[in-house]
Amino acid sequence: GAVVSQHPSWVICKSGTSVKIECRSLDFQATTMFWYRQFPKQSLMLMATSNEGSKATYEQGVEKDKFLINHASLTLSTLTVTSAHPEDSSFYICSATSGGMGYGYTFGSGTRLTVV
Amino acid sequence: QKEVEQNSGPLSVPEGAIASLNCTYSDRGSQSFFWYRQYSGKSPELIMSIYSNGDKEDGRFTAQLNKASQYVSLLIRDSQPSDSATYLCAVFSGGYQKVTFGTGTKLQVIP
Repeated sequence: GAVVSQHPSWVICKSGTSVKIECRSLDFQATTMFWYRQFPKQSLMLMATSNEGSKATYEQGVEKDKFLINHASLTLSTLTVTSAHPEDSSFYICSATSGGMGYGYTFGSGTRLTVV
Repeated sequence: QKEVEQNSGPLSVPEGAIASLNCTYSDRGSQSFFWYRQYSGKSPELIMSIYSNGDKEDGRFTAQLNKASQYVSLLIRDSQPSDSATYLCAVFSGGYQKVTFGTGTKLQVIP
């Protein structure tokens, strides 16, 4: 089955620093990947849609200059949280589909970011 | 009105019983429907997908879709304590080209 690897699984960083999260599709090519954020006891909130070789599409209210997304290849997308602040602490999850839009999405294992 | 609505629960059922989880959605043009299971602190895991009206069965799980009523449900037969998790309903809207998740229903299976 489709496998999505996400790294790191958790990270603690100081306020003002940047953190990069990687998302890889291991056994399929993902032309589109998605980045979500989930706060405790809340649902997944789509942050942006990442297409290989083009600029990401950000959801309303998500700062594109703060959350930099690079979809460098068909198997790798990265999310960089720049100048992180404590309010950015959250669970970040990527997902991808091997069947195209409208089909089930495979999620990465998630990254727990804590900004201190 | 939220795009995808679920009762947050918790829904408590005894072991061996049928758990019934419900979800309604607002976009009549929605095309694909998914149920995910999420354990605390973990990422969601796809357990069922359904694309047309009616029932779809996979092991102990049955997904039911009624597009006229804009309603999708998930039945879990012979519930086990290991089924205790939050179940997320997700709906793909072709018009918006994105998947929207409900807030999830927490299921507790009591041994």
